Amino acid sequence: GENVEQHPSTLSVQEGDSAVIKCTYSDSASNYFPWYKQELGKRPQLIIDIRSNVGEKKDQRIAVTLNKTAKHFSLHITETQPEDSAVYFCAATPSGGGADGLTFGKGTHLIIQP
Amino acid sequence: DAGITQSPRHKVTETGTPVTLRCHQTENHRYMYWYRQDPGHGLRLIHYSYGVKDTDKGEVSDGYSVSRSKTEDFLLTLESATSSQTSVYFCAISESPGGRDGYTFGSGTRLTVV
Repeated sequence: GENVEQHPSTLSVQEGDSAVIKCTYSDSASNYFPWYKQELGKRPQLIIDIRSNVGEKKDQRIAVTLNKTAKHFSLHITETQPEDSAVYFCAATPSGGGADGLTFGKGTHLIIQP
Repeated sequence: DAGITQSPRHKVTETGTPVTLRCHQTENHRYMYWYRQDPGHGLRLIHYSYGVKDTDKGEVSDGYSVSRSKTEDFLLTLESATSSQTSVYFCAISESPGGRDGYTFGSGTRLTVV
């Protein structure tokens, strides 16, 4: 099945700086890559996603890039703010195109230092 | 709200007892999933469902069973709870197979096995 590796596990940045979280996946058949944000004690929520026919997608201060050849994708957050502090998870679609669920990375704890 | 609720929100149970967690959705989505979340492991798929009475195993299904007798309800049962099953359990729903348009998560159930 699919395997998703996520780095770093913890990332601390100064408020206003940029943050980058990277993920790699193993199955070249995967074609959908979402990112979820989970605030402390809350449910994960979808913040942005990208499909394999697109190389980059932006939504205000967040962007995701995808390199299919290298099988990696990244989340970029610019002008970080205190409310960006959370755990971020990347995910990939299951192999084989079936109904089984997304495979998640282990998460990155993003800390925004004031 | 999100159209998906989990119950109970918190539960403490004794080793060896059976436990059932409930996920209820009002979105009429075909696909439902149970994940567990543990520090350092991210979100791992336990079981999923692709229709009424149609279920299958995920990555960490040992010790768990599921049932889906109605579109709106997906039950997760720990047949004989063990301390290793202490975790936060999240239910998720999606319109597309494999969560290819993203998931909506429930608020989670924090289960402690003593």
